[in-house]
Amino acid sequence: DAKTTQPPSMDCAEGRAANLPCNHSTISGNEYVYWYRQIHSQGPQYIIHGLKNNETNEMASLIITEDRKSSTLILPHATLRDTAVYYCIVRVGSTDKLIFGTGTRLQVFP
Amino acid sequence: GAVVSQHPSRVICKSGTSVKIECRSLDFQATTMFWYRQFPKQSLMLMATSNEGSKATYEQGVEKDKFLINHASLTLSTLTVTSAHPEDSSFYICSANGRGRGHTEAFFGQGTRLTVV
Repeated sequence: DAKTTQPPSMDCAEGRAANLPCNHSTISGNEYVYWYRQIHSQGPQYIIHGLKNNETNEMASLIITEDRKSSTLILPHATLRDTAVYYCIVRVGSTDKLIFGTGTRLQVFP
Repeated sequence: GAVVSQHPSRVICKSGTSVKIECRSLDFQATTMFWYRQFPKQSLMLMATSNEGSKATYEQGVEKDKFLINHASLTLSTLTVTSAHPEDSSFYICSANGRGRGHTEAFFGQGTRLTVV
């Protein structure tokens, strides 16, 4: 699976948009970009995934660059409950194992 | 959406004893489940892939005789930490791929915090 690079930590004010970047320059054409988050001492939670088109759901938006070498997860209106570690993962297909990188620790402050 | 349940959520055991952790898919069948380990302030590390009806596949560096995995049914996988030592103290998490919101995604259990004293 392709390797991903994320900043170790980010801060965001409550109510503002949180933009979390991810580099995956070695991604293959058949690999999807997945985002999960882990709130302290819980199991990870699925957020969103995409192949090449931008995606949006009730939790977030995913923007993938045209060359697919990077992506950005957008939480449009961050709340204190969004404080978590966010993991960007690339993998082939939906049934494959997930290999977690170091993730980005997002701190939302009042 | 799909639910994965782990039991117990916390366990304390003495050195040298064995501990069994259960991972259940509550509302779907999972032919494959995954086991992860997470040390404090670190990321999740994949330990093994649990396959229903066959042997588990272990990641490099994970001792298969130390971490016994059994996937006897389509809804249950168990991880047994044998002859536990303090260095085995960690947060163990399982996942299973299930159908949610129109696509297949990985659903994670709530994790089991193991403390070996």
